Amino acid sequence: NAGVTQTPKFRVLKTGQSMTLLCAQDMNHEYMYWYRQDPGMGLRLIHYSVGEGTTAKGEVPDGYNVSRLKKQNFLLGLESAAPSQTSVYFCASRTNTRGTYEQYFGPGTRLTVT
Amino acid sequence: LAKTTQPISMDSYEGQEVNITCSHNNIATNDYITWYQQFPSQGPRFIIQGYKTKVTNEVASLFIPADRKSSTLSLPRVSLSDTAVYYCLVGAFNTDKLIFGTGTRLQVFP
Repeated sequence: NAGVTQTPKFRVLKTGQSMTLLCAQDMNHEYMYWYRQDPGMGLRLIHYSVGEGTTAKGEVPDGYNVSRLKKQNFLLGLESAAPSQTSVYFCASRTNTRGTYEQYFGPGTRLTVT
Repeated sequence: LAKTTQPISMDSYEGQEVNITCSHNNIATNDYITWYQQFPSQGPRFIIQGYKTKVTNEVASLFIPADRKSSTLSLPRVSLSDTAVYYCLVGAFNTDKLIFGTGTRLQVFP
């Protein structure tokens, strides 16, 4: 049981390049999330999904797109990277069981855009 | 979504009890309170959740007064390894998203 895994762990992009971050969970969780965390700051929600085939915007969705084609995977795409997107990206998942709020986080992806 | 307010930072010494209070004045009837811990370069880790009164697990206690407008995370006998950022979150039963604030940075000294 690997929990939540993220690929890649590190990446350096040039402005204007595109990339996709992959999040995978093996806990059969319905909900999945993408957050970004800038240095010294809290986590900000980018996009989330409440089930396979569904996605929704969070606090800071601009410049990102997501897809949830399979229940276990949640992809975050940057179509044209900007230096302002330099951050650490965390994926999380949780069950939709009533009254249970524990989110399981991945190890993060450190992205630098030059 | 209920907005939360926490102290930016706190200092403590090993062996002391630490209490971190979170204010959530506009908490709704269906909202639960959840706390997370985050170490540098790691994702947050769930600590505890509660609805009212007191909840205790193997690592912490959560105190929630009757009006539920605040909550206090209590860490008994902290050690150096408890140095981390602690986040308070509030959300309803069917909340599909939870918002993290800026958290409280706890520094434990020997």
